[in-house]
Amino acid sequence: DAGITQSPRHKVTETGTPVTLRCHQTENHRYMYWYRQDPGHGLRLIHYSYGVKDTDKGEVSDGYSVSRSKTEDFLLTLESATSSQTSVYFCAITSGGNTGELFFGEGSRLTVL
Amino acid sequence: ILNVEQSPQSLHVQEGDSTNFTCSFPSSNFYALHWYRWETAKSPEALFVMTLNGDEKKKGRISATLNTKEGYSYLYIKGSQPEDSATYLCALLTGNQFYFGTGTSLTVIP
Repeated sequence: DAGITQSPRHKVTETGTPVTLRCHQTENHRYMYWYRQDPGHGLRLIHYSYGVKDTDKGEVSDGYSVSRSKTEDFLLTLESATSSQTSVYFCAITSGGNTGELFFGEGSRLTVL
Repeated sequence: ILNVEQSPQSLHVQEGDSTNFTCSFPSSNFYALHWYRWETAKSPEALFVMTLNGDEKKKGRISATLNTKEGYSYLYIKGSQPEDSATYLCALLTGNQFYFGTGTSLTVIP
């Protein structure tokens, strides 16, 4: 199994509070992604990283920021959580290229009350 | 944002039946097409990574084909078993981004 872990796995928070989700990998893969999964929408890309300090926005990036200060960690921050950000968040990694498959973390379930 | 479409949205089949589903994507933006299997309460796991027009991949009873010119891929399951019950996702890789379809949910009835 690919070495990828997410924390926390479950979190309940209140509207307006900041939340940070962590994705940690031990595979030294270059690319890391944050997705959210919502019913009827499948997996939608929030942000991704293609190297240390190199990040870019995905299709649903509003309200989220990311940071990658070292290869193994990719942090997703909700500066001021809203109820619309209640979701399951998945981190994924890949070595890159057009043959590199994605390896997913276990998911982090976030509930914003 | 690219539109990756999967059909049908859900499917119920009897054990032993063969089945197939479709993934459609814009052919002009193709780098690779991935298929993932997603079981309930687990994370998606890769089934196939397909890069060439005409690619055919097989893993046990599951196989996939790819047509990049017309922008579609088929996933086939031969002799479905209850353990095949899962959501099957396809994802289009273009540039550095993966665009996922909403998946086909397969239920195999014993």
